[in-house]
Amino acid sequence: DSGVTQTPKHLITATGQRVTLRCSPRSGDLSVYWYQQSLDQGLQFLIQYYNGEERAKGNILERFSAQQFPDLHSELNLSSLELGDSALYFCASSVEGQAQTQYFGPGTRLLVL
Amino acid sequence: DAKTTQPPSMDCAEGRAANLPCNHSTISGNEYVYWYRQIHSQGPQYIIHGLKNNETNEMASLIITEDRKSSTLILPHATLRDTAVYYCIVIIQTGANNLFFGTGTRLTVIP
Repeated sequence: DSGVTQTPKHLITATGQRVTLRCSPRSGDLSVYWYQQSLDQGLQFLIQYYNGEERAKGNILERFSAQQFPDLHSELNLSSLELGDSALYFCASSVEGQAQTQYFGPGTRLLVL
Repeated sequence: DAKTTQPPSMDCAEGRAANLPCNHSTISGNEYVYWYRQIHSQGPQYIIHGLKNNETNEMASLIITEDRKSSTLILPHATLRDTAVYYCIVIIQTGANNLFFGTGTRLTVIP
């Protein structure tokens, strides 16, 4: 158990819909990272937040957005969903802003039908 | 950006040492070698990291060549639960904002 929690575990929705994925980092960790893992793309970095502020962006689509709240939990919002958005979404956290040692949650499996 | 090269797959007999190689010939002086693994559909798990000295922890050992152009992750007594994809990642020690996961090595431990 990494100490990072993600909800929900599974999500099934339809194209065009919007969903919110939630992540609670390890106690004391200020940074949260979001990754997408699809079958053909491997693990792709989406976005990083540090203490409530966006710090880095990766291959995140404009239809996707995220935020980190004062209690340090984070949410990833996916809108206008397409079939290709079906993937595993992982959240990770780290102490301060150091990205090297990250602790990953169990992931949310999203299926868009 | 793929700074590392790993074999796509390897097999190892249960109880034997698993030696996973990684090439990082363009590594810079301020870059570390980190290893993570991902057991099927679970979140990746940090294993070990090093700069130039060999490192050992409760999970594995990391051997880095003197020229730092390659390294080997050693699982001394592989178990079935070590079956996973292992990722070798080169990353600067300060200022990095994310991990780049390449394709990794799929290790299968055979009973």
